[in-house]
Amino acid sequence: GQSLEQPSEVTAVEGAIVQINCTYQTSGFYGLSWYQQHDGGAPTFLSYNALDGLEETGRFSSFLSRSDSYGYLLLQELQMKDSASYFCAVSPGGYQKVTFGIGTKLQVIP
Amino acid sequence: DVKVTQSSRYLVKRTGEKVFLECVQDMDHENMFWYRQDPGLGLRLIYFSYDVKMKEKGDIPEGYSVSREKKERFSLILESASTNQTSMYLCASRPGVSGELFFGEGSRLTVL
Repeated sequence: GQSLEQPSEVTAVEGAIVQINCTYQTSGFYGLSWYQQHDGGAPTFLSYNALDGLEETGRFSSFLSRSDSYGYLLLQELQMKDSASYFCAVSPGGYQKVTFGIGTKLQVIP
Repeated sequence: DVKVTQSSRYLVKRTGEKVFLECVQDMDHENMFWYRQDPGLGLRLIYFSYDVKMKEKGDIPEGYSVSREKKERFSLILESASTNQTSMYLCASRPGVSGELFFGEGSRLTVL
């Protein structure tokens, strides 16, 4: 089966940098994804890592180490609108299920 | 833009009722998923489908069934609703074997 661990809550200051970690256990591995969900909204895709290393998309970056079964989401220049829940997700491969972590609630404070 | 549409945003049902949650996607995606979301538990996969008439159990399939008669439509069925099925239900679709899931806006079900 698959399981993921991520912190349940993180608080950070506007303008700062925050890192949300995710460790996973899976019988196979196809990639690690990150999603953002604002209160009352649907999850929206942020990034996908299939290979080791850093992927950058504007203020957001995502990192993957397959040997460590570990990844993180890095948010830079935090803005109040970044307050949301962030989920990591893994798929073991092919036409297989996508399993989500419990989500990390990020609160950005002034 | 990809659009995933869930038929009802809010439903209130009685214990024992049969409940249908409908999901339609307009981008010819092969994969479709049903999740439920509860506070502190994240998104838990109920069922998914990778093709018409094909379905696979997720992590919490008990008490649920699904139907995929057409590629664009994936239905979640609660044969006999119970109060512990009160939750937010999220449908998602994906074009292939990897990458982005596109979510609908969710259906909040309350079972009394």
